[in-house]
Amino acid sequence: QVHLVESGGGLVRPGGSLRLSCAASGFTFTDFYMSWIRQTPGKGLEWLSYISSRGTTIHYADSVKGRVTISRDNAKNTLHLQMNSLRAEDTAVYYCARNRVNDAFDIWGQGTVVTVSS
Amino acid sequence: DIQMTQSPSSLSASVGDRVTVTCRASQDIDSFLNWYQQKPGNAPNLLIYAASSLQGGVSSRFSGSGSGTDFTLTISSLQPEDSATYYCQQSHSIPLTFGGGTKVEIK
Repeated sequence: QVHLVESGGGLVRPGGSLRLSCAASGFTFTDFYMSWIRQTPGKGLEWLSYISSRGTTIHYADSVKGRVTISRDNAKNTLHLQMNSLRAEDTAVYYCARNRVNDAFDIWGQGTVVTVSS
Repeated sequence: DIQMTQSPSSLSASVGDRVTVTCRASQDIDSFLNWYQQKPGNAPNLLIYAASSLQGGVSSRFSGSGSGTDFTLTISSLQPEDSATYYCQQSHSIPLTFGGGTKVEIK
């Protein structure tokens, strides 16, 4: 069964850091690009970043560029998002998702909640 | 960035009704348009990719059409389990962007 499971969310103070992880199972991880997407009641769904299957191609949304780093460990079937200099507006549910051909997201994790507050 | 505008933002319809949700892109995106369904507390679920291709396991009462800037998601006969929020997403250009959502409720 195809699964993505996020972890690493929590409460962090403004300016702090968090590292999110996404464990993949049930499919050949190295065959797929992977993305991070977040959701807030105010801004809706926002794509943040994707990484190619070998990690050679990476893109970021302007809203997080310079503050987050996407990476993957293909030996461990795991995707990561290192988030630094967190702001209140980064408070959201963070999802990892699998990119199918044409960059539709066909598999999503259950999400992990990040709250940035003092 | 390509802006995606959905309409209406919400609608209420009866079981068995034909329901249409519209998505407009701020520039030509060919057929790089995907549709998702999201129920409360759950992650979005891919329904339609490439504007009109039905994702595996999705009910055939869902269909998509359009190209260029104007797209439509149609539910041919609304069922109680279709109560959800529907989002479009363009995959033509980085940054990948989503519409604001259409909440579909059952009368």
